[in-house]
Amino acid sequence: KAGVTQTPRYLIKTRGQQVTLSCSPISGHRSVSWYQQTPGQGLQFLFEYFSETQRNKGNFPGRFSGRQFSNSRSEMNVSTLELGDSALYLCASSLDIGRDQPQHFGDGTRLSIL
Amino acid sequence: GESVGLHLPTLSVQEGDNSIINCAYSNSASDYFIWYKQESGKGPQFIIDIRSNMDKRQGQRVTVLLNKTVKHLSLQIAATQPGDSAVYFCAENPQSYTGANSKLTFGKGITLSVRP
Repeated sequence: KAGVTQTPRYLIKTRGQQVTLSCSPISGHRSVSWYQQTPGQGLQFLFEYFSETQRNKGNFPGRFSGRQFSNSRSEMNVSTLELGDSALYLCASSLDIGRDQPQHFGDGTRLSIL
Repeated sequence: GESVGLHLPTLSVQEGDNSIINCAYSNSASDYFIWYKQESGKGPQFIIDIRSNMDKRQGQRVTVLLNKTVKHLSLQIAATQPGDSAVYFCAENPQSYTGANSKLTFGKGITLSVRP
């Protein structure tokens, strides 16, 4: 069974631009969560989607948004990019929403802002 | 949060020895915990999970122990191998009164270095 797939693996942008990252969950998984990983803050929760609806949101500004499609694939968007947005963005999927659901991660998209 | 990589605490063990990686969690309402392993250039890889109604769970070469009294979680790796070298994270899923969610709060990572 294929794992979580994230595209692209690497991305370089400049300040002020916007970016869209894509995530394909494990087949059959319906919940998708996004995390940001930086050396300074570690792994931080961005948001979670289930049944095309955002179910939970972390403490990030409104420039960070996402969506989920009917096939459970998800995208996240960051607008007006800032230098501090440079990070590894990780997508995780789980079979269902709720506690006791192991989340499985992709290898992430490395975003660099120049 | 804490740094990933150079500024993380490091545990150095001899190949073949047992490793014990410790984690203190903060939320007494958390009832589900996961250990992840992250190798360079990859995403976190699920190792093992445990629910709060258990105090021990075993997998292949790994054992997780949960002490809810002192909010402590540990991961034991038997016969540590060079391939076990990575950063290890514990994660907790606190109970939520706003409805079901899968949000994970990650602890400080620990770098495990295996000496040949």
